[in-house]
Amino acid sequence: GNSVTQMEGPVTLSEEAFLTINCTYTATGYPSLFWYVQYPGEGLQLLLKATKADDKGSNKGFEATYRKETTSFHLEKGSVQVSDSAVYFCALRDNFNKFYFGSGTKLNVKP
Amino acid sequence: DTAVSQTPKYLVTQMGNDKSIKCEQNLGHDTMYWYKQDSKKFLKIMFSYNNKELIINETVPNRFSPKSPDKAHLNLHINSLELGDSAVYFCASSQDPESLSGNYNSPLHFGNGTRLTVT
Repeated sequence: GNSVTQMEGPVTLSEEAFLTINCTYTATGYPSLFWYVQYPGEGLQLLLKATKADDKGSNKGFEATYRKETTSFHLEKGSVQVSDSAVYFCALRDNFNKFYFGSGTKLNVKP
Repeated sequence: DTAVSQTPKYLVTQMGNDKSIKCEQNLGHDTMYWYKQDSKKFLKIMFSYNNKELIINETVPNRFSPKSPDKAHLNLHINSLELGDSAVYFCASSQDPESLSGNYNSPLHFGNGTRLTVT
């Protein structure tokens, strides 16, 4: 069946460090891929998305590229800020209109 | 002009009680969902409704009953609450791909969650 696997956290970085959160997926067909961010006490917000192979989603300095050959959608940011501290979820939407979420990766950014 | 709104934000109650959580979306979406998030942040789909019809009903106890009076509302009623029901419950909505010419790239839009504590 379809699934999403993302690296376990927590990830702790100093401000201005480079961030990578790995995400791989298993799916038939051509799913759409998403990254969501959840700040403390809030719901999940869409961070970025990509809908086909080699698409790059980007928002607020975050980027992720849809790699069909490696079935990956890793999240990156060149210089993290304390305000980026949150839980990040990788997700896919398959061609049967079902969503699958990874287990979430908590990011702590220290000043 | 909140897109997906759910109430209440916090709900503290005793075991055995019955409670409801309300959800409304003003995005014109066709499909609404309920998710449960446990203390480790793991998200689990509970139900999904498309135009007031039940589409997904995962392995959820019968004590949980969703009700959709119209496609903009999906309420969750829980009977005989148990300690293990303590969690954060999220309502969400998405656009139906059929209304987007088969486009499956519409994301989920989430409410801010209801933190349920059963004592």
